[in-house]
Amino acid sequence: KNEVEQSPQNLTAQEGEFITINCSYSVGISALHWLQQHPGGGIVSLFMLSSGKKKHGRLIATINIQEKHSSLHITASHPRDSAVYICAALMDSNYQLIWGAGTKLIIKP
Amino acid sequence: ETGVTQTPRHLVMGMTNKKSLKCEQHLGHNAMYWYKQSAKKPLELMFVYNFKEQTENNSVPSRFSPECPNSSHLFLHLHTLQPEDSALYLCASSQDGVLDTQYFGPGTRLTVL
Repeated sequence: KNEVEQSPQNLTAQEGEFITINCSYSVGISALHWLQQHPGGGIVSLFMLSSGKKKHGRLIATINIQEKHSSLHITASHPRDSAVYICAALMDSNYQLIWGAGTKLIIKP
Repeated sequence: ETGVTQTPRHLVMGMTNKKSLKCEQHLGHNAMYWYKQSAKKPLELMFVYNFKEQTENNSVPSRFSPECPNSSHLFLHLHTLQPEDSALYLCASSQDGVLDTQYFGPGTRLTVL
């Protein structure tokens, strides 16, 4: 079992839908990182959070430390949001970054 | 010039060639990283440099040789690679270490024939 699990692996939705991507981890962490990878490989850091909630535009990230769970939400989704979304957990024991396998999101017009 | 840049963006090489990947960050960061992303696999951390010193080498074969001449530049020297080394190689930087948000370059798509 991977230490960082993402779900779903693949998600296809219609433009305008509310999107939720989940990340669960089994280790103690200092922070959790959400990133977006576009077709072709380019990676953009979205959020790094250790508690509560962060918002940037239409993106919202939440984390529940007790439940070892984080979610990334996209409101009013748009085709340009189509990408792979990756969560990475920063372990508090050795500060290693453990990567999830990613969620491939496709938003159809 | 913004963020983290990588050159070349695409590279095709034979198994006997020697080539180098270059990464440059314009963010004033002190830590730089090399990652490998193979098809359908999570990112794998290869090397970490902090203040130009290598602090981590995740059991990477010696045919990959990193070089960090200063805190803004990072190279990955490649020699006698194998076809299974074909992957996307990503460079990242952060302010002072893995506790800080990492900013990624666009990657170099490497194909080994």
